Amino acid sequence: AQSVSQHNHHVILSEAASLELGCNYSYGGTVNLFWYVQYPGQHLQLLLKYFSGDPLVKGIKGFEAEFIKSKFSFNLRKPSVQWSDTAEYFCAVKGFQKLVFGTGTRLLVSP
Amino acid sequence: DTEVTQTPKHLVMGMTNKKSLKCEQHMGHRAMYWYKQKAKKPPELMFVYSYEKLSINESVPSRFSPECPNSSLLNLHLHALQPEDSALYLCASSQPGGATNEKLFFGSGTQLSVL
Repeated sequence: AQSVSQHNHHVILSEAASLELGCNYSYGGTVNLFWYVQYPGQHLQLLLKYFSGDPLVKGIKGFEAEFIKSKFSFNLRKPSVQWSDTAEYFCAVKGFQKLVFGTGTRLLVSP
Repeated sequence: DTEVTQTPKHLVMGMTNKKSLKCEQHMGHRAMYWYKQKAKKPPELMFVYSYEKLSINESVPSRFSPECPNSSLLNLHLHALQPEDSALYLCASSQPGGATNEKLFFGSGTQLSVL
């Protein structure tokens, strides 16, 4: 079965700071990797996904993530965060039919 | 229409009540999911339906009973719940299970409180 680890539980940044959230996964087969975001009081939204091809994937709102197969990692990055990026970020891995989420990282961006 | 609609948005029920959560999508997705999310925790998979048949049950207690009456609807019937079942219940849908390139669309959830 697949599993996901997110090492940063809480991150506090000032606006314009750079962001990197760690995600490591475990799965024996072909994986699909996702980052979802949950803004306060809102439902989960897909930020970006990796299925195959270019390991550097770009998502919405200036986010990107890099799949490094040798490290089983799929870290999320953004060069310059904004106050509106305050949210909870979930890394997720999908094997056959099952999407499994990491424990999430709460990001607080102070203006 | 790229929405997954869940009703009700909020539900308060006693431990002896019977209630149902409803989920609807019109994107032609043939896989539908129920997730449970406790406060400050990630969503946890409960059930997966593929082509209207239950394909995954993550050892969920029988007081939760899913139903998929057609390809657009997914219900979760609740009976004799416990206070620890209070959580946000999320519905999601995607292209048929087993395809490796689908993504899940999530509804806004039903916030359930069991008294």
